[in-house]
Amino acid sequence: NAGVMQNPRHLVRRRGQEARLRCSPMKGHSHVYWYRQLPEEGLKFMVYLQKENIIDESGMPKERFSAEFPKEGPSILRIQQVVRGDSAAYFCASSSTLLAGGGQETQYFGPGTRLLVL
Amino acid sequence: DQQVKQNSPSLSVQEGRISILNCDYTNSMFDYFLWYKKYPAEGPTFLISISSIKDKNEDGRFTVFLNKSAKHLSLHIVPSQPGDSAVYFCAASESGGSNYKLTFGKGTLLTVNP
Repeated sequence: NAGVMQNPRHLVRRRGQEARLRCSPMKGHSHVYWYRQLPEEGLKFMVYLQKENIIDESGMPKERFSAEFPKEGPSILRIQQVVRGDSAAYFCASSSTLLAGGGQETQYFGPGTRLLVL
Repeated sequence: DQQVKQNSPSLSVQEGRISILNCDYTNSMFDYFLWYKKYPAEGPTFLISISSIKDKNEDGRFTVFLNKSAKHLSLHIVPSQPGDSAVYFCAASESGGSNYKLTFGKGTLLTVNP
């Protein structure tokens, strides 16, 4: 039973380039969450997606960041024109049931993508 | 504004003894609390959780205690094992429509010495 998969595990970009981070949720999971962990900090919520829908993007910077979870394929977190402050670990999590307004369902995390902006 | 605080960046204990990791929160809307364990270069792994209607939840060597009036929770690991050495994150979520949004503390690095 494969867990949450993320790739690449490490990504190096120069300032101004684009970064694309991919996340494949656990089998049977249709809810995806992205979190960012800056150095010496805890994980911070960025966005919650279901297939073809962004449910909550309140934690995502308004500029340069976007996320999608298409009907087919992995969820993508895209960062345009990266800056040094984007260097962080980006974690994806997935869950199996609709959480909003309902009970608690555990979020299972992937190994993360470590983005380094030079 | 840090809503979940883990004031001890690190903790060192001897194998076989009890490890106690602490967590404080400020948001009174939080009603579900979780502990995650994280090894280097890996993602957080769910360990144990507790709802605000309880004050204790136990799973094997791991017990979480919740003191709502003090807005404090703690994770007890007994007996501690070297394989428990990792960063432990406390996380919380609110009730209602945004209960998927986990708020994490900065973590506590636990080292269990053989």
